[in-house]
Amino acid sequence: EAGVTQSPTHLIKTRGQQVTLRCSPISGHTSVYWYQQALGLGLQFLLWYDEGEERNRGNFPPRFSGRQFPNYSSELNVNALELEDSALYLCASSLTLGGYNSPLHFGNGTRLTVT
Amino acid sequence: GQQLNQSPQSMFIQEGEDVSMNCTSSSIFNTWLWYKQDPGEGPVLLIALYKAGELTSNGRLTAQFGITRKDSFLNISASIPSDVGIYFCAGQKGGSNYKLTFGKGTLLTVNP
Repeated sequence: EAGVTQSPTHLIKTRGQQVTLRCSPISGHTSVYWYQQALGLGLQFLLWYDEGEERNRGNFPPRFSGRQFPNYSSELNVNALELEDSALYLCASSLTLGGYNSPLHFGNGTRLTVT
Repeated sequence: GQQLNQSPQSMFIQEGEDVSMNCTSSSIFNTWLWYKQDPGEGPVLLIALYKAGELTSNGRLTAQFGITRKDSFLNISASIPSDVGIYFCAGQKGGSNYKLTFGKGTLLTVNP
């Protein structure tokens, strides 16, 4: 069974540019989560999508946005990039049944460097 | 927001030694999870704990859900070089992953 896949693996952008990151969940998982892992700050929750809807977002500005497609894959968009957006962006997926989420399974992330 | 205190921040041990790390919180959690992250990869789920007092093993790894529901520990026995990585604890309230709180991680280095 294929795990969570993310693309691209690495990305270098300039401050002010926009970026789109992509994620395909494990087959059968309907929930997708995005996390930011900046150096020294641990994993910070960004966004949660389930059944095509944004269910919750973390404490990040509106220039972080995303969407989930009918096949449950997801995109994370970051506009007006800032230097401090440099981080590893992790996507995770889980099952959601009756309001309960199974444990998260993570992809290998996209390493974003903003110069 | 909720805080998870994970300790130690880093450990440097010799191959064959046992390792212990823990997470504590001022809040009660319904689920405790332990993940390992290798360099350049995403975190991988090691052990999930769902009940206070639960003790669960996965090979050389053993984790326990504290009786107070405010703490958890992870033990690794007879460490080997491939145990190197960052170990994260995570506590979950209710059944929702968006309420998952991660510790800052324990960096483990194993000297062959």
